[in-house]
Amino acid sequence: QKEVEQDPGPLSVPEGAIVSLNCTYSNSAFQYFMWYRQYSRKGPELLMYTYSSGNKEDGRFTAQVDKSSKYISLFIRDSQPSDSATYLCAMSAMRYNFNKFYFGSGTKLNVKP
Amino acid sequence: NAGVTQTPKFRVLKTGQSMTLLCAQDMNHEYMYWYRQDPGMGLRLIHYSVGEGTTAKGEVPDGYNVSRLKKQNFLLGLESAAPSQTSVYFCATWTLGERYGYTFGSGTRLTVV
Repeated sequence: QKEVEQDPGPLSVPEGAIVSLNCTYSNSAFQYFMWYRQYSRKGPELLMYTYSSGNKEDGRFTAQVDKSSKYISLFIRDSQPSDSATYLCAMSAMRYNFNKFYFGSGTKLNVKP
Repeated sequence: NAGVTQTPKFRVLKTGQSMTLLCAQDMNHEYMYWYRQDPGMGLRLIHYSVGEGTTAKGEVPDGYNVSRLKKQNFLLGLESAAPSQTSVYFCATWTLGERYGYTFGSGTRLTVV
């Protein structure tokens, strides 16, 4: 079983829709959760991060963490064609003296004009 | 400020050939990582380094070697390339106190024929 599971999609939505992207994980030690956005033929870039449980909002993006269910979500409101990308979740337990992240395989999102 | 620079961006190798991928960073980050990204597999850690002169194996180290002789550079070597090493390779960096995410390079697309 993978440490982090993520539906690969692709997910296709019309412009303006609310998008929900999700990951599940198995390691209860994870407490740092991140979402990366990766445009085609580019490296991933950090979009949002949260610590432990709860919600975090940044503009049109909201990240949610439910540690009891081992489930994290990224919501995109008023989605735009420029949001079309692959979204990767990542998480870490911050153990030892380095920060090793576990990545989901990514969900490809296409927002149609 | 270039951030993380990977060279080359593209390469085609014949089976059995060798090559070195270079990752250079100008952010003075202690930690550096090499990942490979394959469809459906997500990002998998090959090797990492927690400081100049140190390296360690990640999830999929076989067939690769690394060196970190200078803090700003992390080299990934393929001694005898195999078609299974066809992938996109990403370098990432991180430092204590940074927001909880990596800074990625733009990737090297390698094809082994």
